[in-house]
Order: sequence, then structure tokens, then C-alpha cells
Amino acid sequence: ETGVTQSPTHLIKTRGQQVTLRCSSQSGHNTVSWYQQALGQGPQFIFQYYREEENGRGNFPPRFSGLQFPNYSSELNVNALELDDSALYLCASSPDSQETQYFGPGTRLLVL
Amino acid sequence: DAKTTQPTSMDCAEGRAANLPCNHSTISGNEYVYWYRQIHSQGPQYIIHGLKNNETNEMASLIITEDRKSSTLILPHATLRDTAVYYCIVNNYGQNFVFGPGTRLSVLP
Repeated sequence: ETGVTQSPTHLIKTRGQQVTLRCSSQSGHNTVSWYQQALGQGPQFIFQYYREEENGRGNFPPRFSGLQFPNYSSELNVNALELDDSALYLCASSPDSQETQYFGPGTRLLVL
Repeated sequence: DAKTTQPTSMDCAEGRAANLPCNHSTISGNEYVYWYRQIHSQGPQYIIHGLKNNETNEMASLIITEDRKSSTLILPHATLRDTAVYYCIVNNYGQNFVFGPGTRLSVLP
């Protein structure tokens, strides 16, 4: 059984650009949550997808958007990148929307 | 805001038990206590969770007070690889995790 995987591991973008981050959920899991972790802080919840539908959203602007696919993998899209978007982006999957979340290794995004 | 308070940092000698406290005085009856840890720049790793009863698995033990207002995570024989930031989270199934700053545990040789 494979765990949660994320790609790419590192990414450098410039202000104003758009970025897509990808997450493959653990086998048998139908729920994916995304978190942003700034340096020195705990992860902050962005949103959750359950069976391809958004199932909750944190305090992030609409330029943060997502998708979940029929195989339950997921994408996080960020438009109009700002310097403050530089962070570790974490994806977590769970067997169902109300169960323990298991995190991937993260994608480190640097916006210049 | 996180519903838990934890010490900012703790030290533990290698081979000794590490006892990490967490206060969650406003916990409600249907909220679980979860513990995760994060080793430098990696994704958080699930450790253990519980509702009322004490729990034990291959990684740790979780002791929850009878009034559920506080808990302690116990790593029975800490190793250098246990050096990490430990997060205590209260969570109602169906909500997403609210992480605080956690406790930075340093295991010393």
C-alpha cells in the first residue's frame, strides 16, 4: 500500500504567475485536504475535497482553487502568486471525510 | 485559533520517556484528541488519537484526564529520531485540523 505522494517536491515561481500542485491519495482513501505551512508556523487548512466535491474551506482567497479526480487524486491551483504564498503545501488523505488524515511529504513553493 | 496549548519546547534524554503535555480545557464531548509530529520540513506524521480512554500503539501512549481537559503523549524510550515538533489537536470528526505552534522536542544524547 503506497502512502500519500505529492509533486513536484520543490518549485520556484515569480510573482503573478500561476501554479498547480498535485497529490495522489493513499489507496482506498476518498478524501483529500490541503494545507499551507509558512516557515516556523503550523499548517493552515485551505480546503478539503470529498468524492470530487469541495467539502469545506479555510480562510483563503478564491485564487486558491482545487480539483479532485475520479481516482481521488487532487490538484491545488494558485493564481496570481504573491510573495507571501511561499510556503510548504501539504496534502493529506483520509479513508473518509470524518477519519484520520495522513499527510504527504509536501511541495515547497518559493515565489520570487 | 487552535483550541490547545502546549509548551513551546522540551528536552529529553535519549532512552528516557518523553512526556508531552497538552491543555484543551474547552474540548467538547464529541471532540477527539489527536497527536501528530513533524520532523524538519517533512509532512506531519500521525501518532495516535483518543476520545476518553487511554490509548497505546507501537509509537506512543496517550493519557487523557478524566475531565478531558488535558492529555499527555508519552514516548516510552525516546531516540534521537524522535526529535521533532509535536502537535496536539482537538478535532470533531468532519472538521479539519487546526494546528497550533506545537512543542519542539529535542532528544539529547
